[in-house]
Amino acid sequence: DAKTTQPPSMDCAEGRAANLPCNHSTISGNEYVYWYRQIHSQGPQYIIHGLKNNETNEMASLIITEDRKSSTLILPHATLRDTAVYYCLSYNYGQNFVFGPGTRLSVLP
Amino acid sequence: DTAVSQTPKYLVTQMGNDKSIKCEQNLGHDTMYWYKQDSKKFLKIMFSYNNKELIINETVPNRFSPKSPDKAHLNLHINSLELGDSAVYFCASSEQGSGNTIYFGEGSWLTVV
Repeated sequence: DAKTTQPPSMDCAEGRAANLPCNHSTISGNEYVYWYRQIHSQGPQYIIHGLKNNETNEMASLIITEDRKSSTLILPHATLRDTAVYYCLSYNYGQNFVFGPGTRLSVLP
Repeated sequence: DTAVSQTPKYLVTQMGNDKSIKCEQNLGHDTMYWYKQDSKKFLKIMFSYNNKELIINETVPNRFSPKSPDKAHLNLHINSLELGDSAVYFCASSEQGSGNTIYFGEGSWLTVV
């Protein structure tokens, strides 16, 4: 079973920031937080991951709370092409990537 | 230049048949996986495999078997196909070690009629 919980769906206006929350209250100290997304009919796409520090790449930013029990994925300027299911996972070597139902993000024009 | 490639992308077959889905990765990764995404859209791991160890999800029927001719390939063989096997099957790969990203193929859509 997935060790993370996410809201089932969210809407975001095009051009605005999309903030997707994730709770991982049972995460252990050596587990990473990963974010993937799945656009309809495509394979899951890696977005970003982090352990303790906030991370940023060309796709998104990841904000991890100091106690590591939750995180937020930020898409700074959402476009229609960002409409997808977003998955938050906790993972460490020796485990498997376990996907929950994710958050269905709809970017609205 | 596709990192993880699967064939076929679409497969329609009759119940009782045996079929295979091929997967190749050109990333030099040590570990490969098969995931199943059913009609409810849940992604569930079926197998993970590196050159040392095959880990099988205990819920996977033994009609499903992975075959790895070399580190870059992990094929999925399915015997005696059933209607409930209809799903999208995703191959993936990653390096060993903590914090390594898993990369997915584009999926193989299997329909059993």
